[in-house]
Amino acid sequence: KQEVTQIPAALSVPEGENLVLNCSFTDSAIYNLQWFRQDPGKGLTSLLLIQSSQREQTSGRLNASLDKSSGRSTLYIAASQPGDSATYLCAAGNTNAGKSTFGDGTTLTVKP
Amino acid sequence: GAGVSQSPSNKVTEKGKDVELRCDPISGHTALYWYRQSLGQGLEFLIYFQGNSAPDKSGLPSDRFSAERTGGSVSTLTIQRTQQEDSAVYLCASSLSWGEQYFGPGTRLTVT
Repeated sequence: KQEVTQIPAALSVPEGENLVLNCSFTDSAIYNLQWFRQDPGKGLTSLLLIQSSQREQTSGRLNASLDKSSGRSTLYIAASQPGDSATYLCAAGNTNAGKSTFGDGTTLTVKP
Repeated sequence: GAGVSQSPSNKVTEKGKDVELRCDPISGHTALYWYRQSLGQGLEFLIYFQGNSAPDKSGLPSDRFSAERTGGSVSTLTIQRTQQEDSAVYLCASSLSWGEQYFGPGTRLTVT
């Protein structure tokens, strides 16, 4: 059974700081790895999707990496802004189709 | 284009009543997913559809839960004889095959 862990559960940083969020998964036979953000009371917004054959994806100030062999993914946020404050979730897509396993998320607060 | 839509956005029901939750996926997306997010908890996978077929129903919490999808488009999640522990936000997502998942805003279900 796939298990996904996100550390830390909460993170508070001053504006402008670069930061890394961690995601680990127990079963390396994944189809893809997706990062989302969730604002309070809202649905999930997709940030980045990394296919199993890829090592990283970049979008603006965000960079996500994937190391299947070690069961880890990281989300790097450069030059953080107060608007980045949200809960960040990672989801491992399982190869036997369809089912994604989510971590519990990291709640990020960026202080002005 | 239009994103994933869900209705109703909020539903309050009495214990023991049946409820139907609706999801309209992004046009052309073949895969559709249902998740549940209970207060302060992570996302729990319920079921996914590829076209109108649901290969994996293992995530449904009990036989009171059922889901269907018609015409490869709209899906309904039905909860019979609702219980208080069914109170949660029910999220729907869609994707092209097993690709990047796009989420709807969710239906907040409260069972009194």
